[in-house]
Amino acid sequence: QVQLVQSGSELVKPGASVRVSCKASGYTFTSHTMSWVRQAPGQGLEWMGWINTDTGKPTHAQGFTGRFVFSLDTSVSTTYLQINNLKAEDTAVYYCARSALGTNFADWWGQGSLVTVSS
Amino acid sequence: DIVLTQSPDSLAVSLGERATINCKSSQSVLYNSSSQNYLTWFQQKPGQPPKLLLYWASTRQSGVPDRFSGSGSGTHFTLTISSLQAEDVAVYYCQQYYYIPLTFGGGTKVEIK
Repeated sequence: QVQLVQSGSELVKPGASVRVSCKASGYTFTSHTMSWVRQAPGQGLEWMGWINTDTGKPTHAQGFTGRFVFSLDTSVSTTYLQINNLKAEDTAVYYCARSALGTNFADWWGQGSLVTVSS
Repeated sequence: DIVLTQSPDSLAVSLGERATINCKSSQSVLYNSSSQNYLTWFQQKPGQPPKLLLYWASTRQSGVPDRFSGSGSGTHFTLTISSLQAEDVAVYYCQQYYYIPLTFGGGTKVEIK
């Protein structure tokens, strides 16, 4: 059974960094691209980009370059989202989402990780 | 970037009645070689992650009830819930996966009248 289990909520100060993890199980990790999606409080969904879990190559949407880093550790079937120099407007739920095999649409989602940026 | 415009923003439907949500794309998401529309529909309930309902605009994901159906092609798409149930209260999003960046519609909130 496919599972994407994300790390827990984080309360962090402006200017700090945070790393969110997404551990996959139940399928061949390197066969499916993993996306990251942001949802600000009360708002819609924004695709941040994805990482090719076979090559490690990241692709970032505009607006999610520079401070946003996608990485992975295939030995533990885990992808990571690191956000540096956090700002108040980064407060959101961050989801990882697996792309269906051979396509770009997401068929499985993690439960989400709430990141709150506040002093 | 491809802009997806959903309408209405919200709708209230009586139990057992039909709910219809529209999604208009700023560019065609039809891939002519395969005749496939690169569009999905997601359902999101409060406090939960989105759930895939339909892909290729009209193919139901495994386990999705057949009261959910999708139609349309090119730039205009529709999600229909044929007989609204209480558990269908949620926000519904369309998403195109033809172009990078992938983009979502703004969402449509469905409530019980």
